[in-house]
Amino acid sequence: DIQMTQSPSSLSASVGDRVTITCQASQDIYNYLNWFQQRPGKAPKLLIYDASNLETGVPSRFSGSGSGTDFTFTISSLQPEDIATYYCQHYHNLPFTFGPGTRVEIK
Amino acid sequence: EVQLVESGGGLVQPGGSLRLSCAASGFTFSSFWMHWVRLAPGTGLVWVSRINNDGRTTNYADSVKGRFTISRDNAKNTVYLQMNSLRADDTAVYYCARGPFDFWGQGSLVTVSS
Repeated sequence: DIQMTQSPSSLSASVGDRVTITCQASQDIYNYLNWFQQRPGKAPKLLIYDASNLETGVPSRFSGSGSGTDFTFTISSLQPEDIATYYCQHYHNLPFTFGPGTRVEIK
Repeated sequence: EVQLVESGGGLVQPGGSLRLSCAASGFTFSSFWMHWVRLAPGTGLVWVSRINNDGRTTNYADSVKGRFTISRDNAKNTVYLQMNSLRADDTAVYYCARGPFDFWGQGSLVTVSS
């Protein structure tokens, strides 16, 4: 199985800050990577697919990059409504494993 | 508007069974693979199972293989997850999701406890 790691596990930043989360796969997953946002008590929401494509309706402050084994997710200007846990997930082969998540808080 | 609505969760004793349902609307259900994903307390998201659009192909995480069965009824626009031999570590919120993981239900809580 492909293992997904994320860092940091949590972060605290101020409104307006640039936030970056990294995700690493244990083997080459090409660009078969999603990024999700999950607010407490809510369903996950797809933000980025194919590593860098913004899902329809998602604000442009969210972006993704990378390919192969190393990926980056960025919030260009953190907003109060961005408080959530963010997960990467690969879909190169089964099982479609998720990263352990990064909790984002407001400082 | 795409909607996925799960039901069937609840409290069950270890070794018991439960069937989750996920009713879909707002899209051509029979054209999409469907998935189940769970979120256990204090942990992250875990992919559980998937089924192809005509129901002939199914896949499972190792942790549920042989105990869980995914199925679908395209006439009813519904996907199911039959869960047998439930264990305490199956306790989680179970979500159904449309194939590309672009739409998710609100989740159904399954608690396995005596």
